[in-house]
Amino acid sequence: AQSVTQLDSHVSVSEGTPVLLRCNYSSSYSPSLFWYVQHPNKGLQLLLKYTSAATLVKGINGFEAEFKKSETSFHLTKPSAHMSDAAEYFCVVSYSSASKIIFGSGTRLSIRP
Amino acid sequence: NAGVTQTPKFQVLKTGQSMTLQCAQDMNHEYMSWYRQDPGMGLRLIHYSVGAGITDQGEVPNGYNVSRSTTEDFPLRLLSAAPSQTSVYFCASSYSWSGTEKLFFGSGTQLSVL
Repeated sequence: AQSVTQLDSHVSVSEGTPVLLRCNYSSSYSPSLFWYVQHPNKGLQLLLKYTSAATLVKGINGFEAEFKKSETSFHLTKPSAHMSDAAEYFCVVSYSSASKIIFGSGTRLSIRP
Repeated sequence: NAGVTQTPKFQVLKTGQSMTLQCAQDMNHEYMSWYRQDPGMGLRLIHYSVGAGITDQGEVPNGYNVSRSTTEDFPLRLLSAAPSQTSVYFCASSYSWSGTEKLFFGSGTQLSVL
C-alpha cells in the first residue's frame, strides 16, 4: 500500500540553527510530493512541491527539499531557523489523482530562543 | 478573492444531532474535498468532488454525506453525530483533480460531539 512516513513527531532546534524534517514515502513510481505548514489554529499552506522537474525544490520562507528517488525520501531543510517557523509540518504524497493524496502524520517544529 | 471559506469555526453538538459544515470557494476550482484532522494521524480524506454533480468517498466516509450542486459550494453533512466525529474539519480545493496542483485550505471547523 502507498504510504508516507514522517520520521519525527517533534523536532526542537535553536533559533539560527539548521532545520531538518524527514519524510519517506513508498511508491512503485514517481509521485508528486508536497510540504505543507500549519500554524496554530490555522489552515494548511503550501511550502513547496515536487512534480518530476528539478530534484532540489525551493519553497517559501527559505525552505527547500530534495527528492531522492533511490532513498524514497523528500526531506525538508532550512539553513537558519526563525521563531516564526514554529508550526506543524506535513509531508504529502499524491499518486495520479487528488483523491489519492496521502498526508503524513505531521512533525511539530519548536524553536528555542 | 476570499479563497476557501468555511463556516462555522467552532461547533458543539450532542450525540445524535445533525448539522452541516459549509464550504465555499471563489476560484472556480474543479476539485473540492473534506478532510478531518486528528492528533498524530495527519489529515484523512472524507469525501471529494471533481466537479458539480460528481462526488465520491474518501478514506473515512462513514457518517458523512456531501453534495455538489454548484462549482462553488461543497457542504458536509453529519447525519447523526457521534463522539468519534469530534475532530477538526478542513475543506480544501484545487484547480484540477490531477493531484499535481496545490490544495487551498479553509481555516477549519473545530467540532466537539458530547
